[in-house]
Amino acid sequence: AQSVTQLDSHVSVSEGTPVLLRCNYSSSYSPSLFWYVQHPNKGLQLLLKYTSAATLVKGINGFEAEFKKSETSFHLTKPSAHMSDAAEYFCVVTGGRGTASKLTFGTGTRLQVTL
Amino acid sequence: EAQVTQNPRYLITVTGKKLTVTCSQNMNHEYMSWYRQDPGLGLRQIYYSMNVEVTDKGDVPEGYKVSRKEKRNFPLILESPSPNQTSLYFCASSLTGLSSNQPQHFGDGTRLSIL
Repeated sequence: AQSVTQLDSHVSVSEGTPVLLRCNYSSSYSPSLFWYVQHPNKGLQLLLKYTSAATLVKGINGFEAEFKKSETSFHLTKPSAHMSDAAEYFCVVTGGRGTASKLTFGTGTRLQVTL
Repeated sequence: EAQVTQNPRYLITVTGKKLTVTCSQNMNHEYMSWYRQDPGLGLRQIYYSMNVEVTDKGDVPEGYKVSRKEKRNFPLILESPSPNQTSLYFCASSLTGLSSNQPQHFGDGTRLSIL
């Protein structure tokens, strides 16, 4: 079985300050983990993915995430928020044998960026 | 342009009136999937298809049907819609099944309201 928990449903930051969106996962196998972003009235777009290579993963638009097996975490960060980063973010896990065709989504974190 | 196209984008209909939401991808992807997105629940998988004529249930398949007669198309069918199927629906595709950790490409969504 696999699951993913996004610890904050809503995060608000000021433009230019760091962003931290938290994600914890559970998986019986070595997981692959993704972060997706959803802008209003749009589908989800891949930000980055972890697939058991480097534990620090860089994505688009300056985002990165670090896979920490000991903490079962895959938090998303960005050094400096921009107004265009305001969106909903989803952490996603997919597992190994028996679960290879299933993605499990977190419930999402809405990021608000203020001036 | 590589894309996943869903139609319609918005639909308001009544209980019991059969409807079909179409999904088409132009990337020659093998894997396609349908999700529904509800507030506070993230995305939940309805059905997926590993290839032509190969479909399987996701987490919430009740009340839905799918077919995969051609590689590019994966329609979602609601034979007798009910109000609890009011939701935002997304179609997604990837080159191969999820065991290869391919990113999903999402359509822009279809907002269904069942009265």
